[in-house]
Amino acid sequence: GAVVSQHPSWVICKSGTSVKIECRSLDFQATTMFWYRQFPKQSLMLMATSNEGSKATYEQGVEKDKFLINHASLTLSTLTVTSAHPEDSSFYICSARVSVGELFFGEGSRLTVL
Amino acid sequence: KQEVTQIPAALSVPEGENLVLNCSFTDSAIYNLQWFRQDPGKGLTSLLLIQSSQREQTSGRLNASLDKSSGRSTLYIAASQPGDSATYLCAVIGNTPLVFGKGTRLSVIA
Repeated sequence: GAVVSQHPSWVICKSGTSVKIECRSLDFQATTMFWYRQFPKQSLMLMATSNEGSKATYEQGVEKDKFLINHASLTLSTLTVTSAHPEDSSFYICSARVSVGELFFGEGSRLTVL
Repeated sequence: KQEVTQIPAALSVPEGENLVLNCSFTDSAIYNLQWFRQDPGKGLTSLLLIQSSQREQTSGRLNASLDKSSGRSTLYIAASQPGDSATYLCAVIGNTPLVFGKGTRLSVIA
């Protein structure tokens, strides 16, 4: 299947700093990328949907100024957690798809904010 | 609003058993339904994708069925192995944002 690469796989940062997570589709062009958040033993919660070249659509309750999403090309989307706080510590996963086809997921990024 | 429910929440079986995981959804206007497995601390691995026009898909020991009219999908795992231990998630893909079930945590005991 197609490969989605996510980087970094884990990151530890101090409270108040910003962290950027990259999501790349390696062998296909993704018209749509999705960002999810997962707390321990919980299911994935969709944070936002991004289409290349347009603003991301955020789910209710997700602060767009807190979680900045940029989808500058058909193979790259970034999620920046701004002014991170301990409650932002979580597992962040991206996925990509072409049109309404199959979803492909990255390996996830574990963020720990001290 | 689409809601996806997975039953059971957890399942423990001895090695070699056949098992069925259930996924139900409330809005039948879907494009696809996809089954994933997630290992602890990892991302998701796609197992099977069923298009809305299909009734089932098979891959190795896995068979997924889809009944749109009743809003149900099942994932059948034959001859379970300890390596099948993981959380299995179903996701419904439609006009509304992607909706995941909470998953079924499967433990296969050797």
